[in-house]
Amino acid sequence: RKEVEQDPGPFNVPEGATVAFNCTYSNSASQSFFWYRQDCRKEPKLLMSVYSSGNEDGRFTAQLNRASQYISLLIRDSKLSDSATYLCVAGNTPLVFGKGTRLSVIA
Amino acid sequence: DAGVIQSPRHEVTEMGQEVTLRCKPISGHDYLFWYRQTMMRGLELLIYFNNNVPIDDSGMPEDRFSAKMPNASFSTLKIQPSEPRDSAVYFCASRPGQGAMGTEAFFGQGTRLTVV
Repeated sequence: RKEVEQDPGPFNVPEGATVAFNCTYSNSASQSFFWYRQDCRKEPKLLMSVYSSGNEDGRFTAQLNRASQYISLLIRDSKLSDSATYLCVAGNTPLVFGKGTRLSVIA
Repeated sequence: DAGVIQSPRHEVTEMGQEVTLRCKPISGHDYLFWYRQTMMRGLELLIYFNNNVPIDDSGMPEDRFSAKMPNASFSTLKIQPSEPRDSAVYFCASRPGQGAMGTEAFFGQGTRLTVV
């Protein structure tokens, strides 16, 4: 099956820092792109969709580069509550999930 | 809507026993997915259904695993016989039909399976 690759981390950053996650996907036919957030011992939940034009939701910005098959997530002004694992997702049906990047925001 | 509902939340069983995991998808969703998550392999797709029909079961590890979807509101994943290496968190997820391309998959809370 086509894969989604991302840096597993962990990323340990102080509160207020800006952190960036990247991932690559191998299936060039992918049409749907997302970032999911997964808290410890919980299910994955949608953080945001990712569009070719880029999109922003508060402190979070997602970018998609179809030519390079590359997806990014930028988190500004990190909060303690941002500590979680972030899963990069690409595909059609079914969606293919990366293994996740673990983020720890430290006071 | 209550979301995707899975049961049981936790299951501890002895090697060799049969295990049945259950899932109720979100009403109106055409797709149902079974995923397995481990630290080593991340979130792996086992099988998915479209309108109750199995479409791709290539992720099912071996014949000990089977899945059914007898109607639009219920699916089961069965492991018989279970082995310690089956220990993982099993997630069920559902998603609207093709007309809703770009919509996300919604996950249940998962079943944490431990086989001893």
